[in-house]
Amino acid sequence: NAGVTQTPKFRVLKTGQSMTLLCAQDMNHEYMYWYRQDPGMGLRLIHYSVGEGTTAKGEVPDGYNVSRLKKQNFLLGLESAAPSQTSVYFCASSSLGRGNQPQHFGDGTRLSIL
Amino acid sequence: DQQVKQNSPSLSVQEGRISILNCDYTNSMFDYFLWYKKYPAEGPTFLISISSIKDKNEDGRFTVFLNKSAKHLSLHIVPSQPGDSAVYFCAASGDNYGQNFVFGPGTRLSVLP
Repeated sequence: NAGVTQTPKFRVLKTGQSMTLLCAQDMNHEYMYWYRQDPGMGLRLIHYSVGEGTTAKGEVPDGYNVSRLKKQNFLLGLESAAPSQTSVYFCASSSLGRGNQPQHFGDGTRLSIL
Repeated sequence: DQQVKQNSPSLSVQEGRISILNCDYTNSMFDYFLWYKKYPAEGPTFLISISSIKDKNEDGRFTVFLNKSAKHLSLHIVPSQPGDSAVYFCAASGDNYGQNFVFGPGTRLSVLP
């Protein structure tokens, strides 16, 4: 059982380039999330989705776009990468949207913007 | 302003002893609190949770205590093992946050053999 899989694991971009991070989950979860983790800070929510075809903004959505065309996939896009977007990105999913339902995380994508 | 704080960036404990990781929060509307454990190059994994209607929850070597009046929770690991060495994140949520969590910055625990 793969759980949550993130692709790619590492990427280096130049300022202004675009890319898409892919998250796939095989647990049939309704809810999916994208976080970024920066040194000295907790995970901060970028965007999330409460079901196929839906997306919503989190705490730090600027500079990112997302899509959830299929229930099992949640894509995070950077249209014009900036050095401030250098971070580790984590995708997560959960079965229910209640506060006490733990989220299942992927292993992260380390992204460097030069 | 961080709503969930973990004021100790790191903690070292001898194997077999108790590890106590602390977490403070500012929003009285938080109802649920979770602890996640994270190894290098891996994603966080869920460890234990507690609802605001409880003040203690145990799962094997792990116990979480909640003091609502002080807006403080702690994770106790007894006995500590070298495999417990990881970064521990505290996370909080509430009805007003829906399905979203607020994470603390994490505490790096090192259990020394």
